Amino acid sequence: EIVLTQSPDTLSLSPGERATLSCRASQSLSSSYLAWYQQKPGQAPRLLISGASRRAAGIPDRFSGSGSGTDFTLTISRLEPEDFAVYFCQQFGGGSRIIAFGPGTKVDIK
Amino acid sequence: QVQLQESGPGLVKPSETLSLTCSVSGGSISSGSYHWSWIRQPAGKGLEWIGRIHASGGTNYNPSLDSRLTISVDTSKNQFSLKLNSVTAADTAVYYCARYALHQLAGSAFDIWGQGTMVTVSS
Repeated sequence: EIVLTQSPDTLSLSPGERATLSCRASQSLSSSYLAWYQQKPGQAPRLLISGASRRAAGIPDRFSGSGSGTDFTLTISRLEPEDFAVYFCQQFGGGSRIIAFGPGTKVDIK
Repeated sequence: QVQLQESGPGLVKPSETLSLTCSVSGGSISSGSYHWSWIRQPAGKGLEWIGRIHASGGTNYNPSLDSRLTISVDTSKNQFSLKLNSVTAADTAVYYCARYALHQLAGSAFDIWGQGTMVTVSS
């Protein structure tokens, strides 16, 4: 079973700054199966990135994903006020067919 | 535009069975390379994947819930359902249904989510 860890737990930044969020897997996984979501209070999560680096429809290009193997990164190039939220990474375990989420990183306003 | 809507009781007594249904509109539950999942989130906590089903009836469950869990699909009604038995207060959470799109090239992910429904386990 692949376990995901995210760091940091909380990232305190100002609008306009760059945010770098990390997601680490306990075993190597296919990039095809790594996704990132944004969740705001009282809302369902929203897909940002699939396949580690492919932006979902309608997602601004300030969001980008990268990484492979066990280390993945979500970068928000310049934070907008609406970007302050919690971000989760998620993997699909291929052969095990088990899905898991990371614990999340909260991006809040400094 | 495919949409998902959860329905079911908001209050369940301890030791009883939690039952929820997810209705799919705007598209067929049987089309495409999709699996249909349940995910939950206790207040102030992270997301926990519960399990998933394909329109063919094939399922995969979270091992931590496997012994209490049944997910089923009714393609004639374009719905899938969750039954979790012997519930305790630890099962109190917002429950989401979501579509998991399997795309080897574009990447696989939960691309459509329901709005979520709060279920409280209490006597």
